[in-house]
Amino acid sequence: DADVTQTPRNRITKTGKRIMLECSQTKGHDRMYWYRQDPGLGLRLIYYSFDVKDINKGEISDGYSVSRQAQAKFSLSLESAIPNQTALYFCATSDRRTGGSYNEQFFGPGTRLTVL
Amino acid sequence: GNSVTQMEGPVTLSEEAFLTINCTYTATGYPSLFWYVQYPGEGLQLLLKATKADDKGSNKGFEATYRKETTSFHLEKGSVQVSDSAVYFCALSDPSGGYQKVTFGTGTKLQVIP
Repeated sequence: DADVTQTPRNRITKTGKRIMLECSQTKGHDRMYWYRQDPGLGLRLIYYSFDVKDINKGEISDGYSVSRQAQAKFSLSLESAIPNQTALYFCATSDRRTGGSYNEQFFGPGTRLTVL
Repeated sequence: GNSVTQMEGPVTLSEEAFLTINCTYTATGYPSLFWYVQYPGEGLQLLLKATKADDKGSNKGFEATYRKETTSFHLEKGSVQVSDSAVYFCALSDPSGGYQKVTFGTGTKLQVIP
């Protein structure tokens, strides 16, 4: 099955460390997204990318950076992790061609990140 | 800006009970509306959608009707099962501004007990 995968699934790190979360997809979708999920806050968009050369900030991009290495790969980096970046991180994809005006999104299983 | 408001949880129901999870929205354009479901330990997956006023989305016994006059998209199921225990997110996709940004609600946790 075409899928969205995230690595690692769980990560514990210390304040000040650089962390990279990776996302790969076999769906052939052009658009990719990074969200974080916090209890009571729902999902908030960190960055999104419509293709390899098009990367955009979302609503909470401070402290994060991304890299779109290929159409199928989209990585999220925390340059210097801090405890309030402890959260569940999701990668998602969508397809401009088949998603029409709906922008239906397909999510990976998530990465649980804990910053001590 | 756009926003989605859904009822706070957790919602606890007995098996075979009727479920309603309320969702209202504000949007600048003419949004599409979604319900996503997140089972424990998994990512979100689309449950149902409606793309214009009065449309009814349905899937797996769940239904929601796009009510433009009340800006609502309430999720309903006539008889819940233990396997429906999950977190449910209401969301909208608004094409105004040239990009269909998706705005999610905060999620409602549903627990169904036998």
